Amino acid sequence: NAGVTQTPKFQVLKTGQSMTLQCAQDMNHEYMSWYRQDPGMGLRLIHYSVGAGITDQGEVPNGYNVSRSTTEDFPLRLLSAAPSQTSVYFCASSYGDAENEQFFGPGTRLTVL
Amino acid sequence: GQQVMQIPQYQHVQEGEDFTTYCNSSTTLSNIQWYKQRPGGHPVFLIQLVKSGEVKKQKRLTFQFGEAKKNSSLHITATQTTDVGTYFCAGLFLSSGYSTLTFGKGTMLLVSP
Repeated sequence: NAGVTQTPKFQVLKTGQSMTLQCAQDMNHEYMSWYRQDPGMGLRLIHYSVGAGITDQGEVPNGYNVSRSTTEDFPLRLLSAAPSQTSVYFCASSYGDAENEQFFGPGTRLTVL
Repeated sequence: GQQVMQIPQYQHVQEGEDFTTYCNSSTTLSNIQWYKQRPGGHPVFLIQLVKSGEVKKQKRLTFQFGEAKKNSSLHITATQTTDVGTYFCAGLFLSSGYSTLTFGKGTMLLVSP
């Protein structure tokens, strides 16, 4: 099993550009989520999904879109990148829901100039 | 909003000294999870506490969940250089809808040999 995979590992964008961060898991987990990690801020939830076709907002959803068309994939779209979105992004998945062990991907380091 | 406060933010110890990090919530938690993130890595699940007053041990690590399910602690006995990293607690709050994890800001542990 590959676990949770994320691409790309690193990305540099210019302000206003759009892009999609990819996340995939091969563990047949129902629950998937996206977090951003900024220095001294811990992990903050952006969006989450409890299953294919079901998504909801987390603590910091503005500027991000998600969709969940399959169990395996949960892409995160930045609509119009801003410098405030410079961060490390982690995707996580778990069996059932958030009450269970979260498996994190390796992260994507995004810089917006 | 739902918050989990974690202290200290940072601790530097000599190898062999003990270390403790504390998490506190103003409202009752359904459960609490602990994660470790090595420098440059992703969070890795350590343990989950569910019951009031629960105490769990993993070798030199001792995890406690308070009687009121509002606070938790992680204690490391006789730290080693391999314990270096940031330790996060993540609380699951009771909810009528979908529950999500709220992470503390983490405690960064440095261990000098």
